[in-house]
Amino acid sequence: AQRVTQPEKLLSVFKGAPVELKCNYSYSGSPELFWYVQYSRQRLQLLLRHISRESIKGFTADLNKGETSFHLKKPFAQEEDSAMYYCALSGRGSNYKLTFGKGTLLTVNP
Amino acid sequence: EAGVAQSPRYKIIEKRQSVAFWCNPISGHATLYWYQQILGQGPKLLIQFQNNGVVDDSQLPKDRFSAERLKGVDSTLKIQPAKLEDSAVYLCASSLEARVPYEQYFGPGTRLTVT
Repeated sequence: AQRVTQPEKLLSVFKGAPVELKCNYSYSGSPELFWYVQYSRQRLQLLLRHISRESIKGFTADLNKGETSFHLKKPFAQEEDSAMYYCALSGRGSNYKLTFGKGTLLTVNP
Repeated sequence: EAGVAQSPRYKIIEKRQSVAFWCNPISGHATLYWYQQILGQGPKLLIQFQNNGVVDDSQLPKDRFSAERLKGVDSTLKIQPAKLEDSAVYLCASSLEARVPYEQYFGPGTRLTVT
């Protein structure tokens, strides 16, 4: 079974402050981890994936297999980062179907 | 490129009625997904198609939900009869194929309210 846990439903920070959205997972094989984002009145879209090892809009995420975590980080939050963030997992053994966490609503205050 | 299209955007029905949702994926995408997103939850996969064949429907409540993807392009998801707990946003997504974890592109969703 695959499971994704996002412990924070809500996260509020001030503009310019660092932000970290937590994600922990459970999967017996080698997982593929993703962060999806949904801005207000927009569609759910891919933000980044761990195999790309890239920074998107200043966000990075490192897969820590020892801690089974894939936390999303940004050193200086911007107001336009306010959105709903979902961590998701897929695995070869499950036809790469995505299992999503419950999401964290990030609010960046001016 | 045009995105994933869904209709209707909103639907209100009474319990025990039937409802159908339609999805048109991105052209050339072999894999199509239907998700159910209940308020406060992340999307949950209901069914996954590769072309017009079902890859995974393990979480589809088959006593009341059905889905088809004729000709491997458009898809419809039907609920018959609806229950109050079916109130949710139904998301359609598509990707190039299922054998590797390609990016999934999501439609705007259909918000269903069952009264």
